[in-house]
Amino acid sequence: KAGVTQTPRYLIKTRGQQVTLSCSPISGHRSVSWYQQTPGQGLQFLFEYFSETQRNKGNFPGRFSGRQFSNSRSEMNVSTLELGDSALYLCASRLLAGGQETQYFGPGTRLLVL
Amino acid sequence: AQKITQTQPGMFVQEKEAVTLDCTYDTSDPSYGLFWYKQPSSGEMIFLIYQGSYDQQNATEGRYSLNFQKARKSANLVISASQLGDSAMYFCARAGNQFYFGTGTSLTVIP
Repeated sequence: KAGVTQTPRYLIKTRGQQVTLSCSPISGHRSVSWYQQTPGQGLQFLFEYFSETQRNKGNFPGRFSGRQFSNSRSEMNVSTLELGDSALYLCASRLLAGGQETQYFGPGTRLLVL
Repeated sequence: AQKITQTQPGMFVQEKEAVTLDCTYDTSDPSYGLFWYKQPSSGEMIFLIYQGSYDQQNATEGRYSLNFQKARKSANLVISASQLGDSAMYFCARAGNQFYFGTGTSLTVIP
C-alpha cells in the first residue's frame, strides 16, 4: 500500500505570493491533517479534514486555508506569503480502526519564502 | 491542558546500548492514544510505535518498546541495541481532536 505523498517536495517563493501544497493520503484513510514545523515553534497543527469537511483547526491566520476532495486528497493554500511562513509543511493521514489509531506522515514540503 | 513534555532536548548513547527517551503527558480524556515518531535530518516523520490507554501490555515494535505508566501519565520510549541510524529527533505525541506533539529529543548514537 502506498504511503502518504506530498507535492512539491521543495518550493521557493517570494513575499506576497501564494502557494498551494498537495497531499494524497494512504488509500482508505479519510482524515488528512496538516502541520507546520519550524525550528522556533516546533510542530504546530494547522487543520484536519475528514470526508471533505474541516474537522479541526489550529491557531493560524486566515491566510492558511485548505480543502479536501472526494478522493481524500487534500490541498493547503497559503496566501500573501510572509518570511515567517518558511517551514517544513507535513501532511498526515489518520485512521481509527479496531480501537487502534494510526497516523502516518508524508515526506513534507520545504517552503522557503524570500 | 493537552501538553506533551519531553524534558531531554538532547541525548547521547553508545552504539549497541539501550536508551530511554522520556515523555509525560497531560490529559483528562478517559481514552487516548500515544505515539512516538522518529524524524531524521531528511525531515520525514516516521511512525515508530503506538500505545492505547486501555492496552494492558506495553507496546513493542522490534527494537522499540514503550514503557507506559498510566498513573504517572508517562510514555517513555526505549530503544534497545542502538544503531548509528537511530540518530535523529524523536517526538512523543498524543492523539485527541488533533495530535499534540512534544518538543522532541535529539538522539545521537556514538560509535
